[in-house]
Amino acid sequence: AQSVTQLGSHVSVSEGALVLLRCNYSSSVPPYLFWYVQYPNQGLQLLLKYTSAATLVKGINGFEAEFKKSETSFHLTKPSAHMSDAAEYFCAVSEGNTDKLIFGTGTRLQVFP
Amino acid sequence: DTAVSQTPKYLVTQMGNDKSIKCEQNLGHDTMYWYKQDSKKFLKIMFSYNNKELIINETVPNRFSPKSPDKAHLNLHINSLELGDSAVYFCASSTAGYNEQFFGPGTRLTVL
Repeated sequence: AQSVTQLGSHVSVSEGALVLLRCNYSSSVPPYLFWYVQYPNQGLQLLLKYTSAATLVKGINGFEAEFKKSETSFHLTKPSAHMSDAAEYFCAVSEGNTDKLIFGTGTRLQVFP
Repeated sequence: DTAVSQTPKYLVTQMGNDKSIKCEQNLGHDTMYWYKQDSKKFLKIMFSYNNKELIINETVPNRFSPKSPDKAHLNLHINSLELGDSAVYFCASSTAGYNEQFFGPGTRLTVL
């Protein structure tokens, strides 16, 4: 069965600092991987997705993620944090040949001025 | 133009009651989903429908019954509500095949 582990339920950074949110996956088949963002009291919005094309994936709002098969990782980064990036971030993997998404437990990003 | 909409946004009710949450998408997608997000923000899929046919049915109590009258709608009916049903319920939609799922704004259900 596929699974996702997000290391660190809370991450705090200063405005302008590097953002690094960690995601490791477990999958017996080539995975499709996603990062979603959830702002307070809102639904989830897709940041980016990996679908077996380029290993470095660029998303919206300056975020990007790199698929590393050898490390079974798909960490999310942004060079310079902005106050508006404060939100909950979820990593997810598609399960097999279904459209079922398996979500990680989420990482809350706080950005301090 | 709301892509995936849910009603109501908030739902407060007593234990034992029956309630429904409605979901509509205007994206032309053929697959719709219901997710439950608990108090710790953990998201878990409950159901998915493709062209009105049930595709995914996780280990959800049979008090929960999804109904899809057409491709654009997927409603969730819950019988005999329990305290543990309190959560935020999200509807989502997508085209088939590992594509992006578009989420609704959520319905916060509180069972007293």
